[in-house]
Amino acid sequence: DVKVTQSSRYLVKRTGEKVFLECVQDMDHENMFWYRQDPGLGLRLIYFSYDVKMKEKGDIPEGYSVSREKKERFSLILESASTNQTSMYLCASSPIQGINADTQYFGPGTRLTVL
Amino acid sequence: SQQGEEDPQALSIQEGENATMNCSYKTSINNLQWYRQNSGRGLVHLILIRSNEREKHSGRLRVTLDTSKKSSSLLITASRAADTASYFCATVLNFGNEKLTFGTGTRLTIIP
Repeated sequence: DVKVTQSSRYLVKRTGEKVFLECVQDMDHENMFWYRQDPGLGLRLIYFSYDVKMKEKGDIPEGYSVSREKKERFSLILESASTNQTSMYLCASSPIQGINADTQYFGPGTRLTVL
Repeated sequence: SQQGEEDPQALSIQEGENATMNCSYKTSINNLQWYRQNSGRGLVHLILIRSNEREKHSGRLRVTLDTSKKSSSLLITASRAADTASYFCATVLNFGNEKLTFGTGTRLTIIP
């Protein structure tokens, strides 16, 4: 089974702190994604990556950056956390070929609270 | 902006009944997918239907796609308490565009 893990289930940070959210997948997937999920707004794409060191902005990239130095790891960085970044953050990966192409596999999520 | 919108936003049914959720979207798609999310957890992929397919089955799940109406439905038959979750539709717009655009979800509650 595909496994996507995220570094923390719950995280509490203070305004202005630099925050790192880590995501690791074990199925050699090319694509990786970061979403945030807020009540009433569904899932919104922050950034995605289709290859090592490659990244593309999603729908709401402002206030975030990402890093993909290795194929299996995709990091989301909040340079200076703000209270409006309090949210559930979900990481996902997907293959580009085969029967499961386009299917995304999600991690358990990190609930981030910024005080 | 959200591509898909689910209807209804919330649904409560008795265990054993069938549950139907609908999804409408705005632009042409390559495929549409349904995901389930248990409370406070990640999403789990349920089924993918391509734009040239009209119906697909997986166990107790039946998905239909009407590209002329830009809509899809998810039917869960013989519901169980474990089916209580939020259900999301998501669309892939073009072949080779791996991004999913999610709707806001339907919250399904199965009453034992």
